[in-house]
Amino acid sequence: DAEITQSPRHKITETGRQVTLACHQTWNHNNMFWYRQDLGHGLRLIHYSYGVQDTNKGEVSDGYSVSRSNTEDLPLTLESAASSQTSVYFCASSATGSQPQHFGDGTRLSIL
Amino acid sequence: QKEVEQNSGPLSVPEGAIASLNCTYSDRGSQSFFWYRQYSGKSPELIMFIYSNGDKEDGRFTAQLNKASQYVSLLIRDSQPSDSATYLCAVTTIYNQGGKLIFGQGTELSVKP
Repeated sequence: DAEITQSPRHKITETGRQVTLACHQTWNHNNMFWYRQDLGHGLRLIHYSYGVQDTNKGEVSDGYSVSRSNTEDLPLTLESAASSQTSVYFCASSATGSQPQHFGDGTRLSIL
Repeated sequence: QKEVEQNSGPLSVPEGAIASLNCTYSDRGSQSFFWYRQYSGKSPELIMFIYSNGDKEDGRFTAQLNKASQYVSLLIRDSQPSDSATYLCAVTTIYNQGGKLIFGQGTELSVKP
């Protein structure tokens, strides 16, 4: 079955380090999204991509970057991790703009 | 005004009752509407989507859309304790070709045995 997988599931790191979270989908979806979820803020969009070589900033993109070199993967990089980036991160994908997004299981990131 | 609003709850209903979850949105260009269920510590899971005015039923779940009044609701019939979760409403607009979702804050539902 097609799926979307995130890795790692849990990560603890130190401030200032570079961190990369992986997202891989086997649905061949064009659209991929990264969210963070924090108590009191709900799901907030970080970056998104509508296809290979396309990336766009979401509402909370500062301190994050993505790249899309193929259809299946959209890695999220924290260039210099900050404690404010401690959160649960979800990756999602959809086939088209009107189709539902399907979510990965999430990555719980703690920055000490 | 938030773009997508939901009552945060918690909404508490007895087992077997109908749970009614409501969502309002501000952008009249909104065109696709989704309900996700999220258990504590888990990822959002799609339950229903609706594009046209009226009702859409799937098992115990019914989504209702009224574009004139700018609200979408989710009814859960014969509620079970396993339905206890946070329910997220999400919408996309005609100005957003790629399907970028705008989420509400979610409504926590508690079904008491």
